[in-house]
Amino acid sequence: AQSVTQPDIHITVSEGASLELRCNYSYGATPYLFWYVQSPGQGLQLLLKYFSGDTLVQGIKGFEAEFKRSQSSFNLRKPSVHWSDAAEYFCAVGVGTGTASKLTFGTGTRLQVTL
Amino acid sequence: EPEVTQTPSHQVTQMGQEVILRCVPISNHLYFYWYRQILGQKVEFLVSFYNNEISEKSEIFDDQFSVERPDGSNFTLKIRSTKLEDSAMYFCASNSYGYTFGSGTRLTVV
Repeated sequence: AQSVTQPDIHITVSEGASLELRCNYSYGATPYLFWYVQSPGQGLQLLLKYFSGDTLVQGIKGFEAEFKRSQSSFNLRKPSVHWSDAAEYFCAVGVGTGTASKLTFGTGTRLQVTL
Repeated sequence: EPEVTQTPSHQVTQMGQEVILRCVPISNHLYFYWYRQILGQKVEFLVSFYNNEISEKSEIFDDQFSVERPDGSNFTLKIRSTKLEDSAMYFCASNSYGYTFGSGTRLTVV
C-alpha cells in the first residue's frame, strides 16, 4: 500500500532563511504528488502538484518542489521564509487513475518562523 | 478562482444524533471526496464518488456513513448516529486534473 513519510514533525527557521521540508513516498507506479499548507483551524490550500514532466515544480507563495524518482522524494523548498509561512505542511501522494486519485497524506510538518 | 464550499463551518451535535455535512463542489469537476482530520492527526481519506456512486471507500467509512449528490450541485456526507470519536474536521474535495479542498466543517460530538 502507498504511504507518505514526513520525517520532520516540527521545524523552526528564522525569517529570511531558506527552508526545505522533506517528503518520501512509497508507491509502485508513477505517483501524483502534492504539497498542501494548513493554517490553524483552516482548510487545506494547495501549494503545488506534480503529475508528470519537469521534475522541478513551481507553486504559489514562492514555493517549489523537486521530484526525485531515484530517492522517492518530493521535498518542498523556499529560498527565503516569511513569518506568514508559519503553518502545517502536508505532503500527499495521489493513488489511482489520474484524476480519480485518492490522496494519502503524510503526518505533516509544523513550521515555526522566528523573527 | 473556483472554490469548494462547505457548510456549516462548525457543528456541535449530541452523541447518537444524525448529522449532514454539506458541500458544493466545483461545477465542472467529476470526482468528489470526503476526508477527515482528527485533531492533531493527519488527513484521512473517507470516500470517493463518481458518476453518482461510490467509487472507493476506506475502512473508516462504515455503515453509519453515507454520501449523496441529491441534485446537480450539492454533495453531502451523512453520519447516522454520531459517536464521540467522530469529532473531527471533515473536508470535501473535488477533482478534475486538480484537487481542490473546501475549508472544512468542524464536527464536535458531545
